[in-house]
Amino acid sequence: DAKTTQPPSMDCAEGRAANLPCNHSTISGNEYVYWYRQIHSQGPQYIIHGLKNNETNEMASLIITEDRKSSTLILPHATLRDTAVYYCIVRVGFNDMRFGAGTRLTVKP
Amino acid sequence: SAVISQKPSRDICQRGTSLTIQCQVDSQVTMMFWYRQQPGQSLTLIATANQGSEATYESGFVIDKFPISRPNLTFSTLTVSNMSPEDSSIYLCSAKGQGAREQYFGPGTRLTVT
Repeated sequence: DAKTTQPPSMDCAEGRAANLPCNHSTISGNEYVYWYRQIHSQGPQYIIHGLKNNETNEMASLIITEDRKSSTLILPHATLRDTAVYYCIVRVGFNDMRFGAGTRLTVKP
Repeated sequence: SAVISQKPSRDICQRGTSLTIQCQVDSQVTMMFWYRQQPGQSLTLIATANQGSEATYESGFVIDKFPISRPNLTFSTLTVSNMSPEDSSIYLCSAKGQGAREQYFGPGTRLTVT
């Protein structure tokens, strides 16, 4: 599986968009990009996934660059409850998720 | 989506004893997994729980230490055997439905070994 690189931490002001980057420069053509988050003391929560096209759901948007070497998770209007560790994972097919260190996002009032 | 529950939610155990953690999913799922999250760390996959056959363990995890059962499509157990303080972690159950890309997680079991 391709390795991912994420900044260890980020801050965001409440009500503003949070843009979380992920680098996956060695991604192969059949690998999907997944995003999960883990709010303190809870199990990880699935957010979104994509292969090539940009994706949007009720939680977030996923922007994947044309060369697929990087992606950005966008939380359009961050709230204090979005404070969590966000994990970017690249996996083939239906395999289990393998977690890296993630980005600790702190939303500040 | 699948809703996953775990029992117990937390426990404090003595060194040398064993604890069995139960995982219940509210719908039939194809795949179930067990993860460990050590204090301040990310999640590490322990094993895939296979229905009707032995679990598939990741490197560094062995069946004698972490026996796993999966008697049906909605239930699995993980036993942490002969515990030491180094086993103090959060243990998480996870599941995925057939053909689904999303993987869902339980709330975790917080284990402290004294």
